[in-house]
Amino acid sequence: QKEVEQDPGPLSVPEGAIVSLNCTYSNSAFQYFMWYRQYSRKGPELLMYTYSSGNKEDGRFTAQVDKSSKYISLFIRDSQPSDSATYLCAMSEVYGQNFVFGPGTRLSVLP
Amino acid sequence: DGGITQSPKYLFRKEGQNVTLSCEQNLNHDAMYWYRQDPGQGLRLIYYSQIVNDFQKGDIAEGYSVSREKKESFPLTVTSAQKNPTAFYLCASSARTDNTGELFFGEGSRLTVL
Repeated sequence: QKEVEQDPGPLSVPEGAIVSLNCTYSNSAFQYFMWYRQYSRKGPELLMYTYSSGNKEDGRFTAQVDKSSKYISLFIRDSQPSDSATYLCAMSEVYGQNFVFGPGTRLSVLP
Repeated sequence: DGGITQSPKYLFRKEGQNVTLSCEQNLNHDAMYWYRQDPGQGLRLIYYSQIVNDFQKGDIAEGYSVSREKKESFPLTVTSAQKNPTAFYLCASSARTDNTGELFFGEGSRLTVL
């Protein structure tokens, strides 16, 4: 079993839809959770960062962490074609170290 | 502007040749990382360095070498011993002492072995 699993997609949605992206993990010691967005042929950029369980909202993006279920989610409201990218989840046990990444979900938002 | 600069963006190599990928950061970050990205796989850690003149192997270090002579620079050499070097290589850095611990990435270098 991989340490971090993520539905690879591709996921296609119409513009304006609510998108749910998810990761599951096996290591209960993970405490720091991140979502990165990666456009084609570019480096990933940080979207959301969460420590421990709970929700965090930033504009159209909401990150949720459920440590009891070892499950994290990223919700995108009112999705736009510019949201079309690969979304990577990442997590770590220790602050700022030893990040483990999911394989990424490719999202296409169709106009 | 602060950031991470990787070069070259695209590189072609013949089998049996060593190549060096450059990574420079002006974020004053202590920690630097090299990841490899292949289609359908997560980022895999090749090497990382948390301080100048010190570095550790990641999960897939075989066939790669690094140096960390300056805080700003962390070059990666892909040697001829790397059996499947064609991939997208990402350099990253993090400030372990700030309150986010996030990774900042460069734009990547795509290596193709002919």
